[in-house]
Amino acid sequence: DSGVTQTPKHLITATGQRVTLRCSPRSGDLSVYWYQQSLDQGLQFLIQYYNGEERAKGNILERFSAQQFPDLHSELNLSSLELGDSALYFCASSQGDNYEQYFGPGTRLTVT
Amino acid sequence: GESVGLHLPTLSVQEGDNSIINCAYSNSASDYFIWYKQESGKGPQFIIDIRSNMDKRQGQRVTVLLNKTVKHLSLQIAATQPGDSAVYFCAERSRGGGADGLTFGKGTHLIIQP
Repeated sequence: DSGVTQTPKHLITATGQRVTLRCSPRSGDLSVYWYQQSLDQGLQFLIQYYNGEERAKGNILERFSAQQFPDLHSELNLSSLELGDSALYFCASSQGDNYEQYFGPGTRLTVT
Repeated sequence: GESVGLHLPTLSVQEGDNSIINCAYSNSASDYFIWYKQESGKGPQFIIDIRSNMDKRQGQRVTVLLNKTVKHLSLQIAATQPGDSAVYFCAERSRGGGADGLTFGKGTHLIIQP
């Protein structure tokens, strides 16, 4: 158990819909990262937040957005969903300058 | 394109033997490398990391070697056990991008033969 929690574990929705994925980092970690894992693209970095502020963007689509709240939990919002958005979405956390990232169990999103 | 890649998609070893998983990277600005293990249905699990100012680091049953000259990273697992069966990813971080997000390779599936 990494100490990072993610909800829900599974999510099934239709194209065009919007969903929100939630992540709670390890106690004491200020940085939260979101990754997408699909069969064809592998693990792709999406976005990073540090202590409530966006720090860096990776391969994140404009239809996707995220935020980190004062209690440091984070949400990833996915809108206008397409079939190709079906994937595992992982959250990871770290202490910030500490490079080691701990991953949560992931949310499996299926878009039908 | 992918800046971090693995030489073999699948590696099969006998239980008790040593395993070596290789990884090539192309970004010379990368300063930090990590190996992760991912079991089916789970998130990536940190195994070991190494910074670019080192060429070797040892953990419990695992060793990571970094050869910056040829941009090569390897993970050695000693006395491989059935519980080592998983997909192994190497990942790199390039500070120049201003992000702490990692770039992952495609992964190598390690299969342990009894």
